[in-house]
Amino acid sequence: SQELEQSPQSLIVQEGKNLTINCTSSKTLYGLYWYKQKYGEGLIFLMMLQKGGEEKSHEKITAKLDEKKQQSSLHITASQPSHAGIYLCGADPITGNQFYFGTGTSLTVIP
Amino acid sequence: EAGVAQSPRYKIIEKRQSVAFWCNPISGHATLYWYQQILGQGPKLLIQFQNNGVVDDSQLPKDRFSAERLKGVDSTLKIQPAKLEDSAVYLCASSSRVRQGEQYFGPGTRLTVT
Repeated sequence: SQELEQSPQSLIVQEGKNLTINCTSSKTLYGLYWYKQKYGEGLIFLMMLQKGGEEKSHEKITAKLDEKKQQSSLHITASQPSHAGIYLCGADPITGNQFYFGTGTSLTVIP
Repeated sequence: EAGVAQSPRYKIIEKRQSVAFWCNPISGHATLYWYQQILGQGPKLLIQFQNNGVVDDSQLPKDRFSAERLKGVDSTLKIQPAKLEDSAVYLCASSSRVRQGEQYFGPGTRLTVT
């Protein structure tokens, strides 16, 4: 089955701390995408990674894709309450068209 | 640029009743997705359209769920009859290409089946 495992499932951090969320696929991916979902709302696209070893940054959020294109990490530096929400990784497998999401990581940032 | 619109935002129905959700994608986006998100889980793709054709509907429970995208723009998702386990948020998303993860999501419709 197509699966994206995310860890941790939930995270509570103090404002200003750094944190990392991981996403692992059992299959080699065509592309790996990170989204953020605020509670009760739709998803917001953060970043897309397609090349092995690729790294992208946006403000204080950095995402990396490993060389094998099966694992990605999302790193937040100096977290703020505005970073709180659910972070979801999504993927296109190399074979097939169906896009699928991981189970999500719930992030709480305590002021 | 207007975002993805969905309606209604909330719906409460009794089991065995019917319900329909509407989605208007971003103008010019050829690909439209419907997802089901059960509380505490990631969204699950139900159906993907490219213009008005179906690209993937392998996870759509076709005995009770149906979807259409007439004229390749707006789309409706219907459930008939609803079951308790259909309680979820139904998300619509659109993108400019078939194999493109940069999807733009609507706010979702929260369905409660009692």
